[in-house]
Amino acid sequence: AQSVTQLDSQVPVFEEAPVELRCNYSSSVSVYLFWYVQYPNQGLQLLLKYLSGSTLVESINGFEAEFNKSQTSFHLRKPSVHISDTAEYFCAVKSNFGNEKLTFGTGTRLTIIP
Amino acid sequence: DAGVTQSPTHLIKTRGQHVTLRCSPISGHKSVSWYQQVLGQGPQFIFQYYEKEERGRGNFPDRFSARQFPNYSSELNVNALLLGDSALYLCASSFPGRDEKLFFGSGTQLSVL
Repeated sequence: AQSVTQLDSQVPVFEEAPVELRCNYSSSVSVYLFWYVQYPNQGLQLLLKYLSGSTLVESINGFEAEFNKSQTSFHLRKPSVHISDTAEYFCAVKSNFGNEKLTFGTGTRLTIIP
Repeated sequence: DAGVTQSPTHLIKTRGQHVTLRCSPISGHKSVSWYQQVLGQGPQFIFQYYEKEERGRGNFPDRFSARQFPNYSSELNVNALLLGDSALYLCASSFPGRDEKLFFGSGTQLSVL
């Protein structure tokens, strides 16, 4: 079984400031790691993922996340946020075998302050 | 190309009733998964279907059932609705084994009164 912990339910950040959204996971098997973003009144969209290889993964809109196996973490960072980044961010894990079940954290609401 | 489409977008039911939610996957995707997202929480896995067979089931009561049709569309059925079933129900499709990416629909908002 897997579990995901997102300790910060809400994170307010000033525009153009850096941000880090924290994610820790627990699993007895090897996993893939994901960050999904949910804009208001929309479904979830994949932001970035770690499957294997380089532990630092990047998205097309400036976010990055680093897989840290020893700390079982997959924190999301962005050096400079924009108003358009306002959304709910979900960290998720999936076993690297078996079905496609994703286990999500409770989410972090990122609010950008102008 | 059309994304994952779900219908209806909103639904109001009363306790004890039955509901059917529908999902059409992206063309070419053979796997459909269902998730329940209660307000303020992350999505919870309900079912996965691939090639019309159940591939996974989450920790939900037997009141929840689903099926997948030959065209890969899917239905989620919930019987004997409870107030606690009020949630956003999300459908996701994928091509298993291809980059581990799920494509989500915008969901069906179910309110049980």
